[in-house]
Amino acid sequence: GAVVSQHPSRVICKSGTSVKIECRSLDFQATTMFWYRQFPKQSLMLMATSNEGSKATYEQGVEKDKFLINHASLTLSTLTVTSAHPEDSSFYICSARTRQRDEQYFGPGTRLTVT
Amino acid sequence: GQNIDQPTEMTATEGAIVQINCTYQTSGFNGLFWYQQHAGEAPTFLSYNVLDGLEEKGRFSSFLSRSKGYSYLLLKELQMKDSASYLCAVRSPTGTASKLTFGTGTRLQVTL
Repeated sequence: GAVVSQHPSRVICKSGTSVKIECRSLDFQATTMFWYRQFPKQSLMLMATSNEGSKATYEQGVEKDKFLINHASLTLSTLTVTSAHPEDSSFYICSARTRQRDEQYFGPGTRLTVT
Repeated sequence: GQNIDQPTEMTATEGAIVQINCTYQTSGFNGLFWYQQHAGEAPTFLSYNVLDGLEEKGRFSSFLSRSKGYSYLLLKELQMKDSASYLCAVRSPTGTASKLTFGTGTRLQVTL
């Protein structure tokens, strides 16, 4: 149980375009989902926390207009990187937390490369 | 603010024991997690401590001292597949607002 998937696993896009990443909890309802970014040889940095049906809470320094987060249902959250630039190239990882347990389950990550 | 420190890199020999330390200063504390992460993959859960003391799970053990803001992960009988990054993460505050803050991560290289 407690499986989280992400799609796509890898994506290459051109500078200036937008890309959407999906995070799904497959066998449980996730009241809260988290989006992290990880640059090479660095640790995970929390970007934002999204609760189902409400606006996401962004961490300091993360542009909410650039990284659009939608958590429309208890099993799906999406992160859209708008007007992507090469410096947005990174490993994006989501995690999901259930209502019952304060434990995060991580997705497999999405490797974004902006050319 | 949150500040979580780990050594950047460590090297150990196959079959040996290695201890990875983590010190933290956080506003609020509701548990400390250790994760293993292989390159290009998501973190996988290893252990969780919320009370002081040692938690043992097979070849892995984790220790916590809340008064000292200190934890360590102990890996015994090292295997080559243990070469990975090990991430310490603190959960704070409590309830629905809780989130994980990750340390800098320790890259462990296991050699023959």
